[in-house]
Amino acid sequence: GQNIDQPTEMTATEGAIVQINCTYQTSGFNGLFWYQQHAGEAPTFLSYNVLDGLEEKGRFSSFLSRSKGYSYLLLKELQMKDSASYLCAVLDSNYQLIWGAGTKLIIKP
Amino acid sequence: GAVVSQHPSRVICKSGTSVKIECRSLDFQATTMFWYRQFPKQSLMLMATSNEGSKATYEQGVEKDKFLINHASLTLSTLTVTSAHPEDSSFYICSARDLAGDSMETQYFGPGTRLLVL
Repeated sequence: GQNIDQPTEMTATEGAIVQINCTYQTSGFNGLFWYQQHAGEAPTFLSYNVLDGLEEKGRFSSFLSRSKGYSYLLLKELQMKDSASYLCAVLDSNYQLIWGAGTKLIIKP
Repeated sequence: GAVVSQHPSRVICKSGTSVKIECRSLDFQATTMFWYRQFPKQSLMLMATSNEGSKATYEQGVEKDKFLINHASLTLSTLTVTSAHPEDSSFYICSARDLAGDSMETQYFGPGTRLLVL
């Protein structure tokens, strides 16, 4: 079966760095997405990785290792507004998005 | 970036009534739109894939006679929840894939519709 695992909840301090991990087992792979979702709102796109390595976008970076079925989202210089759920999703061989359950990130002052 | 709208944003209805939710791509054409449902503290669950001019493809366990999907144009898809019941109360989100996009990034989400069935 298809499976995406990520921690349920994480807590970090404002100004610090946090890494949210995601492991996946899917039928085929056409890329991995990270989305941010604030409570009561729809997800917003953060990053897309299809090749191994690190992609950096400002304070957010995303890493992918296809051989390990592993990705992480790195958030630097955390701000209170970063408190949200972070969803990992994999595009499988049928180009369907398989979603993880999301990681709720709590930022403390 | 591309914009997807949903209407209404919130709806409260009585059990047994039908509710229609519209999803529009405002500045691009979308041959494919996706309908998701999200229950509290859970991830998105794909309900169906809607293709312009053809029948929607429903995920296993989703009743196609209860959740009617129409994708009449390249910018509009509708989801009708027929004979709604309290257990249908959820957050319904659509997304649209940009026809002209050559990147897998080009899937955009609407703001969601919160449905409460009394």
